[in-house]
Amino acid sequence: GENVEQHPSTLSVQEGDSAVIKCTYSDSASNYFPWYKQELGKRPQLIIDIRSNVGEKKDQRIAVTLNKTAKHFSLHITETQPEDSAVYFCAANSGGGADGLTFGKGTHLIIQP
Amino acid sequence: DVKVTQSSRYLVKRTGEKVFLECVQDMDHENMFWYRQDPGLGLRLIYFSYDVKMKEKGDIPEGYSVSREKKERFSLILESASTNQTSMYLCASSPGTVGNTIYFGEGSWLTVV
Repeated sequence: GENVEQHPSTLSVQEGDSAVIKCTYSDSASNYFPWYKQELGKRPQLIIDIRSNVGEKKDQRIAVTLNKTAKHFSLHITETQPEDSAVYFCAANSGGGADGLTFGKGTHLIIQP
Repeated sequence: DVKVTQSSRYLVKRTGEKVFLECVQDMDHENMFWYRQDPGLGLRLIYFSYDVKMKEKGDIPEGYSVSREKKERFSLILESASTNQTSMYLCASSPGTVGNTIYFGEGSWLTVV
């Protein structure tokens, strides 16, 4: 099955700086890569996703890049703000069928004022 | 807005008890999932279902079973609860097409004593 590795587990940045979270996956058939944000005590919510037919996608201050050859994808957050503090999860599907998503272990992003 | 509702937010059960966690979605989604979330381990897939009365094992099905008698409802069953099943349980649903957004419920915090 799919295996997703996520780094770092904790990331502390100054407000206004950029944050980058990286993930690798193992199943070359995976074709859907979402990112979820989970605030304390709340459900994970989708913030951005990318499919294997594109290399980059941007939505305001967040962007995701995908390198299919290397099997890795990254989340980039620019001009970080206090409300960006949360746990972020990357995920990948299992390359076909309704197999659900395999998630990374999460990154706790801390925005320092 | 997609709504995934988990009937119990907080439960305390005794070792050996049979536990039912209920989940209902209101978007006519084909796929439903049960994940378990533990600190440092991320979200791990327990079981999923892509149709009524259909079920598939995820990555950690041991000690759990599921039931999907109606399209909108997916139940997670702990036949004989154990302390190592103390965790946060997240139900989710998604449309039938591969690579679609998964929507999560608020989660059920289960403590087994």
